[in-house]
Amino acid sequence: DVKVTQSSRYLVKRTGEKVFLECVQDMDHENMFWYRQDPGLGLRLIYFSYDVKMKEKGDIPEGYSVSREKKERFSLILESASTNQTSMYLCASRESGDQPQHFGDGTRLSIL
Amino acid sequence: DAKTTQPPSMDCAEGRAANLPCNHSTISGNEYVYWYRQIHSQGPQYIIHGLKNNETNEMASLIITEDRKSSTLILPHATLRDTAVYYCIVRGSGTYKYIFGTGTRLKVLA
Repeated sequence: DVKVTQSSRYLVKRTGEKVFLECVQDMDHENMFWYRQDPGLGLRLIYFSYDVKMKEKGDIPEGYSVSREKKERFSLILESASTNQTSMYLCASRESGDQPQHFGDGTRLSIL
Repeated sequence: DAKTTQPPSMDCAEGRAANLPCNHSTISGNEYVYWYRQIHSQGPQYIIHGLKNNETNEMASLIITEDRKSSTLILPHATLRDTAVYYCIVRGSGTYKYIFGTGTRLKVLA
């Protein structure tokens, strides 16, 4: 079974802090994704990486950056956390092509 | 990517088949249909996907109409643990965007 592991289930940070969310997959997948999920808005794509060191902006990249130095690890960075970034963050990975994405259990991030 | 339409909620008796419909009338020839579910406070779980033919795995069956404008996810013997929000997604081949709508909230009743 595919395993996508997010480093924290719950995280509380302060406004202005730099926040790192980590995601690791164990299936040698090429593609990795970061989403946020908010009530009434569904899942929205923040960034996508199709290979090591390669990334593309999703629908809502503002205020975020990403890093993919190794194939198995994809990090989401909140450069200067703000309260409107309080959300559930979901990481996913997949092989390339038409294979499905597999998700981690999410990180519920609160910015105070 | 094609839009999908799902009923907002459904109930199903435990042990009965749950049939979850999805309309994707604007689907194009190379777009796959994917089904996921999300149990509260967890990440979406992949269930099944297909292009044209009906598909079955250990979790569910996917029935796609011949014109591909709609599909049905079938959970053959629903249990209380199948209570979740079910998402039907259409994604074009060669693109990376999965558009999750609001899904169907399935409640399995004892």
